[in-house]
Amino acid sequence: GQNIDQPTEMTATEGAIVQINCTYQTSGFNGLFWYQQHAGEAPTFLSYNVLDGLEEKGRFSSFLSRSKGYSYLLLKELQMKDSASYLCAVREFGAGTALIFGKGTTLSVSS
Amino acid sequence: NAGVTQTPKFRILKIGQSMTLQCTQDMNHNYMYWYRQDPGMGLKLIYYSVGAGITDKGEVPNGYNVSRSTTEDFPLRLELAAPSQTSVYFCASGAGVEIDYGYTFGSGTRLTVV
Repeated sequence: GQNIDQPTEMTATEGAIVQINCTYQTSGFNGLFWYQQHAGEAPTFLSYNVLDGLEEKGRFSSFLSRSKGYSYLLLKELQMKDSASYLCAVREFGAGTALIFGKGTTLSVSS
Repeated sequence: NAGVTQTPKFRILKIGQSMTLQCTQDMNHNYMYWYRQDPGMGLKLIYYSVGAGITDKGEVPNGYNVSRSTTEDFPLRLELAAPSQTSVYFCASGAGVEIDYGYTFGSGTRLTVV
């Protein structure tokens, strides 16, 4: 089975940097995804890692270590609009390549 | 390009009633999924399909049924609604493991069973 852990809540201020961690246990790893979900809306894709290392996309970066079962999402130059839930999801081989989600981290950005 | 379209957006059901949540995608994706999201619990996979005519159970399939007669449509059926099925339901589609942008989600159906 799968087990995906991430912090429930985090707070930060505008302009700061925040790192959201995710640890996972899986039997057939085939990629790790980060999604952003604003309240009352659908999840939207942020990043994807399948090999070890850092992927950078503008203010957002995501890191993966497969040997440690660990990923983080790094958000730089925080803005108020970044207040949302951030969902870590793992894809395994089989099961229709479905994503298995963690419970999400609610990030609150204050001025 | 509409992406993934879900209807209805909101629905209130009485215990024991049945309904079908509709999901349609126009991206010619083979893979489609139904998730439910309860507060603080993340998204749980209900059913998935890897192509027309092929469906399989996910983590929480009890109380639900699906069909996939076409590539575009993947309806979710609730036969005897129960309060435990009060949730937000998301349909998603994807092109497969070779694509690195994950999956596209519909806007969700908010269902309350009373």
